[in-house]
Amino acid sequence: DGGITQSPKYLFRKEGQNVTLSCEQNLNHDAMYWYRQDPGQGLRLIYYSQIVNDFQKGDIAEGYSVSREKKESFPLTVTSAQKNPTAFYLCASSIPTGAYTDRLFFGSGTQLSVL
Amino acid sequence: RKEVEQDPGPFNVPEGATVAFNCTYSNSASQSFFWYRQDCRKEPKLLMSVYSSGNEDGRFTAQLNRASQYISLLIRDSKLSDSATYLCVVNPLGGGGFKTIFGAGTRLFVKA
Repeated sequence: DGGITQSPKYLFRKEGQNVTLSCEQNLNHDAMYWYRQDPGQGLRLIYYSQIVNDFQKGDIAEGYSVSREKKESFPLTVTSAQKNPTAFYLCASSIPTGAYTDRLFFGSGTQLSVL
Repeated sequence: RKEVEQDPGPFNVPEGATVAFNCTYSNSASQSFFWYRQDCRKEPKLLMSVYSSGNEDGRFTAQLNRASQYISLLIRDSKLSDSATYLCVVNPLGGGGFKTIFGAGTRLFVKA
């Protein structure tokens, strides 16, 4: 079955540590996204990539980094510069912008907490 | 003003009740609209797209009013399993994309 796989489901970060969240999709989608969700707030875009080897900052990119070396993979690194990383992180994908009736497909999420 | 605003929750309703959620959006150029359902600590799942003419899917009816820039979701004959958070999602470009804006969600509790 096609879908998006995020791992791990739960992740704990120590002070000053970088951690990487994995996101893999086999939907053959060109575009991939990382969102952060805090309680009582809407999803906020961290980074997005519309094609392999290219990515752009979203609304809250500070303290995060990404790579897009393969179409299927879009890992997110939460760096030590992100001072408030505790949140639920969601990876998503879609066919390229411009498809009028397209929608986002989400992975099952990673809950990141600070020790 | 937030780009997408939803009814404050939570809504507490008995089984069998009809409940309606509203959502307003600020960008008049918005092209596509969706309702997603999200269970606690799970990913959002598409409930239904919202079309200009309004659309229905079983117990769920979505309406779009472009002139007033609001979207509604009506749930009839509520079930316990409908308890979740409902997200209003708007995109000015159409389809999935980096301009997608999510509302904060409306929490629904259906009780026996």
